[in-house]
Amino acid sequence: GAVVSQHPSWVICKSGTSVKIECRSLDFQATTMFWYRQFPKQSLMLMATSNEGSKATYEQGVEKDKFLINHASLTLSTLTVTSAHPEDSSFYICSARKRRALAPEQFFGPGTRLTVL
Amino acid sequence: DAKTTQPTSMDCAEGRAANLPCNHSTISGNEYVYWYRQIHSQGPQYIIHGLKNNETNEMASLIITEDRKSSTLILPHATLRDTAVYYCIVIDSGGSNYKLTFGKGTLLTVNP
Repeated sequence: GAVVSQHPSWVICKSGTSVKIECRSLDFQATTMFWYRQFPKQSLMLMATSNEGSKATYEQGVEKDKFLINHASLTLSTLTVTSAHPEDSSFYICSARKRRALAPEQFFGPGTRLTVL
Repeated sequence: DAKTTQPTSMDCAEGRAANLPCNHSTISGNEYVYWYRQIHSQGPQYIIHGLKNNETNEMASLIITEDRKSSTLILPHATLRDTAVYYCIVIDSGGSNYKLTFGKGTLLTVNP
């Protein structure tokens, strides 16, 4: 199989603090990882694309200084929400694409629910 | 600009086939049709994808019309656990830099 994990699965933090979310591909190497955000009753919105060893590419309207993405290895990407505010409360989901995939489907993590008080 | 159109919601009886339609009238020759689903409060799950031929796997069947302007995802024997939002996505996945963009999808409710 192709399993993607996220940690933590949920987090509650105070306004102004920073939160780091980890995304790991457990049984495959991922050259590309993606971060999505989903507000209640809405669809997933792509935030950024990260390739191992290079800077992330952010979608229009996503603040790169607020949502720091690091993709230091082929199995790990992290998203840090800096100076979080209540409007950042959301469901954050990562996905990973296999290296040299013949079948280019993406595999998604279970998501991380962030609540900022 | 929406590349696909799906009904907002559908209902299906448990044990019956669920047929989820998707219109993609502007699809180009090198674009694939992908289906994902998202069960409430979970990450999306890959179901199936195809280019022009019908496809079948252990989860579902994908029927693509000859002109490729529409497709239907078929869950042959729906169960309560198939209740989810189903997303039909059209992308050019032949290159290495494609991105999955999710529309609003179809909320399928399987009823006992």
